[in-house]
Amino acid sequence: EAGVAQSPRYKIIEKRQSVAFWCNPISGHATLYWYQQILGQGPKLLIQFQNNGVVDDSQLPKDRFSAERLKGVDSTLKIQPAKLEDSAVYLCASRYSWGYSSYNEQFFGPGTRLTVL
Amino acid sequence: DQQVKQNSPSLSVQEGRISILNCDYTNSMFDYFLWYKKYPAEGPTFLISISSIKDKNEDGRFTVFLNKSAKHLSLHIVPSQPGDSAVYFCAASAETSGSRLTFGEGTQLTVNP
Repeated sequence: EAGVAQSPRYKIIEKRQSVAFWCNPISGHATLYWYQQILGQGPKLLIQFQNNGVVDDSQLPKDRFSAERLKGVDSTLKIQPAKLEDSAVYLCASRYSWGYSSYNEQFFGPGTRLTVL
Repeated sequence: DQQVKQNSPSLSVQEGRISILNCDYTNSMFDYFLWYKKYPAEGPTFLISISSIKDKNEDGRFTVFLNKSAKHLSLHIVPSQPGDSAVYFCAASAETSGSRLTFGEGTQLTVNP
């Protein structure tokens, strides 16, 4: 079974530029997550999708971050304009089912390391 | 507000000995806990989990203990192997928050040959 795919793996931009990340979840996984992991910290949830609908975006800085999951499969996360503090690893994860179940762990992709200069 | 805390940024043990990684939480609504392992340049991978209705869960060399009254959990690795060297994240979820995971800061485990 193929894992969660993410691209690009690395990205370097200057502040005020825009950037986009792409994620392809595990086939058949209904729930998709984007996390931000700043160096020395644990991953922090930015947004959660169930199929192509947003379930939780309470921690997404909506003035500069946006995300979509068209057709309930692939997803893109965009930052516009980027700030220095956005330097982090952006992780995509997917999960088989919807709803709260203690038996469906999240599977993570390798992440995109963003550096904002 | 750091609801899940891993107070030890790093831990070093000898091969064959026991590794004990600790995690504390403050949110009494958390009812499911997971440990993830992360190698450099890779995403976190699921290791082991425990429901709040249990106080222990074992999977091979890995055992997780949960002390609800102390809001504390620990991961024991016995015996430790050099390939276990990685960053270990503790994570928690609450049914009231759906499947959202709240992660700790991580502990870098180094197992020396």
